[in-house]
Order: sequence, then C-alpha cells, then structure tokens
Amino acid sequence: QKEVEQNSGPLSVPEGAIASLNCTYSDRGSQSFFWYRQYSGKSPELIMSIYSNGDKEDGRFTAQLNKASQYVSLLIRDSQPSDSATYLCAVRRRTGNQFYFGTGTSLTVIP
Amino acid sequence: EAGVAQSPRYKIIEKRQSVAFWCNPISGHATLYWYQQILGQGPKLLIQFQNNGVVDDSQLPKDRFSAERLKGVDSTLKIQPAKLEDSAVYLCASSLDSNNEQFFGPGTRLTVL
Repeated sequence: QKEVEQNSGPLSVPEGAIASLNCTYSDRGSQSFFWYRQYSGKSPELIMSIYSNGDKEDGRFTAQLNKASQYVSLLIRDSQPSDSATYLCAVRRRTGNQFYFGTGTSLTVIP
Repeated sequence: EAGVAQSPRYKIIEKRQSVAFWCNPISGHATLYWYQQILGQGPKLLIQFQNNGVVDDSQLPKDRFSAERLKGVDSTLKIQPAKLEDSAVYLCASSLDSNNEQFFGPGTRLTVL
C-alpha cells in the first residue's frame, strides 16, 4: 500500500468552475498535510498546509482534512487557466518525520 | 532572499559513469532534502539532513548513491555507477527546520544513456 494515493487524472474543468482534488494516506499517525502545485518542467511550490481536522481557506483554495477517514482534499474555486498544473499531496508522518508525496493529479482548466 | 540553488541544471551521462549534483540551501535553513522525481511520478525522498547529520536515508539506494553535507550548509549527491533507471529530476529542498515549509530548488535533470 502506498503511503499517499492520489487519482492521477487528468482532471478537466471549465474556467470558473470548482476543481476538487483528493488524497488518501495510509499512516494514521501522520500529523502534517500539504498541497503543492507543480507546473510542467518546474519545481513544486507549496499552496496550502493543514494540520487539524476541518477546513482551511486561503483565497480561492480550501484544504479539507479528515483524519478519521485518512483523507485530504483541495478545492479550487473560480478555476483559472493558470491553475492548470499537477497538484501533489504530501504527508509528514509523526514517526521519524518522514515526508511522502503522492504521484500527483494533473488538472487542466479549459478557457 | 535567494532561493535554493542547484547545479548543474542538466546532465547527460552514459550508464556506469559517475555524476554529482550540488545544492546550496536558503541561508539559515537547517534541514536539507534530496528528492528523486521520475517522469510522471511524485518526488521520492532520498535523504534528509538536519544540519550536518542524516535524519532519514531509508529510501536512498546506498549501493550506488551517496550524499553529504559536511559543514551543515551546502550538500552534494553522488551516483556511482549510474543506471538507466536513474534518469530523473533530482530536486533539492530546504526548510528552517523539519517542521517548516520546504522550498525547492530548480532541480537537475539527469539523463542516463
């Protein structure tokens, strides 16, 4: 079982719609959760971090965490073509502080 | 504030050759990470340093990969000898400490022929 699992997509949404990206993780003791955006040929950049159950909002982005279900999601409201990228979910385990990335979900926002 | 620096940006070698990558983290960042990202996959952590000590190298293929951060600042990652499956982008990242946000460098794209 992979540490972090994401639907690889591709996910296509029209401009202005809500994009929903999902991630599950295997280690119940994980404590920190991150969403990174990676444009083609570029390095990952952090969008959101979340540590507690519930929602965390930052502009057009909302991260949701459900530790009981071992589930993290990222919602992008009013999607823009510039949001087209691969979105990587990452998890830091409590034990050893090990850091794991998922394989990423490719998002395309259609103008 | 200068970002994470990496060199070279691109490298092409033949299998069984050796190669080394260099990373200079953001000034003051105690934690340094090396990742391998194969095309179409997420980054895989190879090794994590806290200052000049190794925190985690459980996914580092130690028979051919080595890394050091002797003075707790910059770091080198070496592959010797390289295999075809080592073709990937090697990303270096740094953070203030292990609980803080990671900032990534531009990466080194390695092609092994």
